[in-house]
Amino acid sequence: QKEVEQNSGPLSVPEGAIASLNCTYSDRGSQSFFWYRQYSGKSPELIMFIYSNGDKEDGRFTAQLNKASQYVSLLIRDSQPSDSATYLCAVRSGSGNTGKLIFGQGTTLQVKP
Amino acid sequence: DAMVIQNPRYQVTQFGKPVTLSCSQTLNHNVMYWYQQKSSQAPKLLFHYYDKDFNNEADTPDNFQSRRPNTSFCFLDIRSPGLGDAAMYLCATSRDLSTDTQYFGPGTRLTVL
Repeated sequence: QKEVEQNSGPLSVPEGAIASLNCTYSDRGSQSFFWYRQYSGKSPELIMFIYSNGDKEDGRFTAQLNKASQYVSLLIRDSQPSDSATYLCAVRSGSGNTGKLIFGQGTTLQVKP
Repeated sequence: DAMVIQNPRYQVTQFGKPVTLSCSQTLNHNVMYWYQQKSSQAPKLLFHYYDKDFNNEADTPDNFQSRRPNTSFCFLDIRSPGLGDAAMYLCATSRDLSTDTQYFGPGTRLTVL
């Protein structure tokens, strides 16, 4: 079992729709969770982070965390073609204090005009 | 203003010819990381420096070395590049190891001929 799992997609949504990206993780002691956006050929760009159970909203983005289910998601409202990218879920390991991030493979999102 | 800078952005080397990739930061962060990312794969942590303390991942090949001469700069040395080392190399920084997020540079695309 991979430590951080994401559906590679592609996930295709029409412009203006809500895109829902999901991520599960195996380390129950994980403390911090991050979503990065990566355009083709570019480096990852931090979108959001979440530490506590529940929802965290920032503009069109909402991160949702459920530690009991070991599940974190990212909702993108009013999706735009410029949101088309690969979204990487990253989890900071709960063991030790190394700061090590474990990345998922990423979900490719396609927003069609 | 760029905060994490990587040079060069594109590097072509020959099989077995040593190559050095550079990363610099203006954030005065304590931690600098090197990741390898191959096409359609998750970024994979190679090693990191916390200040001058070097931390190597267990599965990082000996072919990969790193140097951090001061807070601002960190180098990735690939002693004898193989075809399998062709990838995007990402440098990231964070203020500390505990809860801070990691910020990525633009990456260096390495091609091995």
